[in-house]
Amino acid sequence: GAVVSQHPSWVICKSGTSVKIECRSLDFQATTMFWYRQFPKQSLMLMATSNEGSKATYEQGVEKDKFLINHASLTLSTLTVTSAHPEDSSFYICSATAESSYNEQFFGPGTRLTVL
Amino acid sequence: GNSVTQMEGPVTLSEEAFLTINCTYTATGYPSLFWYVQYPGEGLQLLLKATKADDKGSNKGFEATYRKETTSFHLEKGSVQVSDSAVYFCALSTITGNQFYFGTGTSLTVIP
Repeated sequence: GAVVSQHPSWVICKSGTSVKIECRSLDFQATTMFWYRQFPKQSLMLMATSNEGSKATYEQGVEKDKFLINHASLTLSTLTVTSAHPEDSSFYICSATAESSYNEQFFGPGTRLTVL
Repeated sequence: GNSVTQMEGPVTLSEEAFLTINCTYTATGYPSLFWYVQYPGEGLQLLLKATKADDKGSNKGFEATYRKETTSFHLEKGSVQVSDSAVYFCALSTITGNQFYFGTGTSLTVIP
């Protein structure tokens, strides 16, 4: 149980285009979903926290208009990287919490974004 | 505030060697503690966890004990294998799970 999927697992796009990454909780309803960014050989950096039906809360320094988050349902959150640039290339990981899980976040497998 | 300090790597060990990766934390309240493992090109997988003081988490031969007196959660394994090569992250979460704090990660390479 408590499986989180991400799609796509990797994506290559041209500079200036927008890319959407989906995060789904497959067998539970996610009360809260999180988006992280990970640079090579570094730890995870929390970008934003989202609850279903409400606006995401962004961490300091993360551009809201650049990284659009939509938490459409209790099982789906999307991250759209708008007008992507090479510096946006990174590994994006989502996670989710469930009411039944105590203090635990369940992580997706990550999405590798490369912007040319 | 809340934070996690993790032993810096990289760590290189021979197969069957003993592994210790140190992790200490600062926290307000009573956090839960976790070790996650990340294999190359993959996301994070929960390795083990402990939710209260003196709890011992264990999985796949790895162990860690929640030590409140020393604010530590060191990861240990008695005999590492090549397949254990990965990056290990220590983390703590607040009571709601909505605040997760990660250490910087420790890269482990096990050589035959």
